[in-house]
Amino acid sequence: GQQLNQSPQSMFIQEGEDVSMNCTSSSIFNTWLWYKQDPGEGPVLLIALYKAGELTSNGRLTAQFGITRKDSFLNISASIPSDVGIYFCAGHPLQGAQKLVFGQGTRLTINP
Amino acid sequence: DAGITQSPRYKITETGRQVTLMCHQTWSHSYMFWYRQDLGHGLRLIYYSAAADITDKGEVPDGYVVSRSKTENFPLTLESATRSQTSVYFCASRTGRLQYFGPGTRLTVT
Repeated sequence: GQQLNQSPQSMFIQEGEDVSMNCTSSSIFNTWLWYKQDPGEGPVLLIALYKAGELTSNGRLTAQFGITRKDSFLNISASIPSDVGIYFCAGHPLQGAQKLVFGQGTRLTINP
Repeated sequence: DAGITQSPRYKITETGRQVTLMCHQTWSHSYMFWYRQDLGHGLRLIYYSAAADITDKGEVPDGYVVSRSKTENFPLTLESATRSQTSVYFCASRTGRLQYFGPGTRLTVT
């Protein structure tokens, strides 16, 4: 099935650093969602984006819906140890919007 | 506000046995989904349901059966478990364009 291209696949950073990750698609999406998954738990919805160019924040997290509607970005500022986990992007494509399409995830590791 | 609950959280079963994973949501969302998550494959859709008594296949439906007699429940049955069905299973429900996941069931088939 269709998948989103999420990068990077993993990140190793120092506590306090900023983090950036992105998701791209070859087709247009009308919704972008960002999730975080902790070990042994289900994905938790962090941010939802609905319009091209939209910029939305949730605490230290900021996400943007790309102008082309084919990409999205997630930034985490001033990382802390509890930010460790796997971050997934997901989106509703313009065609077949009933089913979410997922990225493969970005694994974030933080060195204290 | 319980949201989505899954049971059991952990299950070990033998090859050939029938297993049912339960999913319950308290929001009355119309859409519900079952995914499996495996290393190297990410989240793959097994089945989904648009409403009670309406179900449809996802990307990897073989070996699984679903039913939805009530809006709040969406059980997933493995009719004859195989080792390849060892995985973590997530139920999800959706309102509008927002989709929420349950905590998952880790299933091991020996």
